[in-house]
Amino acid sequence: DAKTTQPTSMDCAEGRAANLPCNHSTISGNEYVYWYRQIHSQGPQYIIHGLKNNETNEMASLIITEDRKSSTLILPHATLRDTAVYYCIVSNAGNMLTFGGGTRLMVKP
Amino acid sequence: NAGVMQNPRHLVRRRGQEARLRCSPMKGHSHVYWYRQLPEEGLKFMVYLQKENIIDESGMPKERFSAEFPKEGPSILRIQQVVRGDSAAYFCASSPLTRTGPPSFGPGTRLTVT
Repeated sequence: DAKTTQPTSMDCAEGRAANLPCNHSTISGNEYVYWYRQIHSQGPQYIIHGLKNNETNEMASLIITEDRKSSTLILPHATLRDTAVYYCIVSNAGNMLTFGGGTRLMVKP
Repeated sequence: NAGVMQNPRHLVRRRGQEARLRCSPMKGHSHVYWYRQLPEEGLKFMVYLQKENIIDESGMPKERFSAEFPKEGPSILRIQQVVRGDSAAYFCASSPLTRTGPPSFGPGTRLTVT
């Protein structure tokens, strides 16, 4: 599976959009980009995933660059409850997921 | 549809005892993955199982650890002769037969070895 690079930590003001970047320059054609988050040592929570096209669901939007070498997770209106570690993972569908260090997002009032 | 269930949620064992961790996948899911998270560290893959088969155990320590996913019942992660270094959170995830959906994770079992 391709490796991903994320900033170690980020801050965001409550109510503002949180934009979390991820680089995955070695991604291969059939690998998906998955985003999960872990809130205070709970089980990882699935957020969103995509292959080529941008995706949106009730939690977030995923923007994937045309060359697929990077992506951005967008939380449109961050709340204090969005404070968590966010993991960007690249993997073939059905394969086990390899977690990196993630980005620790702190949403501040 | 109940999510992935793990029990017990908290488990305390003395050094040398055995620990058994159970994972019931989501309904209709036949693939199970186990992960370990040491304190203040990231999640590390341990083992991937289908019903009655181990698909990938590349992350499993060679000794004392074993996993199974029988035809009936939950998946079991078994740790024999536990040591303090086994203290961690153990998470399992499941995905459906076709493996097209993203894996769903359980709440984890926190093992403390005293």
